[in-house]
Amino acid sequence: EPEVTQTPSHQVTQMGQEVILRCVPISNHLYFYWYRQILGQKVEFLVSFYNNEISEKSEIFDDQFSVERPDGSNFTLKIRSTKLEDSAMYFCASRDENTQYFGPGTRLTVL
Amino acid sequence: LAKTTQPISMDSYEGQEVNITCSHNNIATNDYITWYQQFPSQGPRFIIQGYKTKVTNEVASLFIPADRKSSTLSLPRVSLSDTAVYYCLVGDMDTGGFKTIFGAGTRLFVKA
Repeated sequence: EPEVTQTPSHQVTQMGQEVILRCVPISNHLYFYWYRQILGQKVEFLVSFYNNEISEKSEIFDDQFSVERPDGSNFTLKIRSTKLEDSAMYFCASRDENTQYFGPGTRLTVL
Repeated sequence: LAKTTQPISMDSYEGQEVNITCSHNNIATNDYITWYQQFPSQGPRFIIQGYKTKVTNEVASLFIPADRKSSTLSLPRVSLSDTAVYYCLVGDMDTGGFKTIFGAGTRLFVKA
C-alpha cells in the first residue's frame, strides 16, 4: 500500500539554525500539507500546497517557514532560523480526491 | 469550516463496541466527515469517511443522520491496541486549499 514517507525521523538542531524537513508524498497525489504537533497538544495546520504554490497557510506559518516541491517527488518544509518553540512533531500529508494520508512525522528538537 | 465537538475522553473494555459522537452543527453542503486515529508520536491514520447515511469498512462504521449535524464513529469489539486519540474532521474536499482544523479529539482508553 502506498504511503507518505518523511525524513529524518528525528532532527536535533541549535536555536537559530536552519532545518529542512523532507517528505515524499504518495505518487499520484496533487495536494500536499504540513502540520505540526507540540508535545501533548493537538495537531495544527501549517500550510497546504497545490500546483506548485501555497493554497492556504495558517498564522503559524510566518516568514521563517517556506515550502518547496523541488522535483517530482519531494516536498520540503524549511524553517529558516529555528526557535525553541519550534520543537514539535512535523507531519506531512498528501491527498487524493477526498482523503489526506499522513506521514510518520519528523520530531524536531531545538536546543 | 465547521467546528466540531467531541467528548474529551472515553473508557471501554476489550471486546466492547465503542461509539464516539461528534457534533458539527454548522456543516456545509459540500463538507465530508472524516475520522482519524492517532497513536502517540505517530501521524494521524485515516479510519473512515462519509457524506451521509452509513458507511462501513473493515475497521469501523460511520453513522450520519439525515440532518448531518452529528456523526458517530462505531468501533466493534475494541482491543487494547485501539487505545488512541480519535479525531472528527469536517471539510470541503472539493477545494484544493483544504485547511484542516483538528480539534482536541477523543482520547479512548481500552482496559483489559
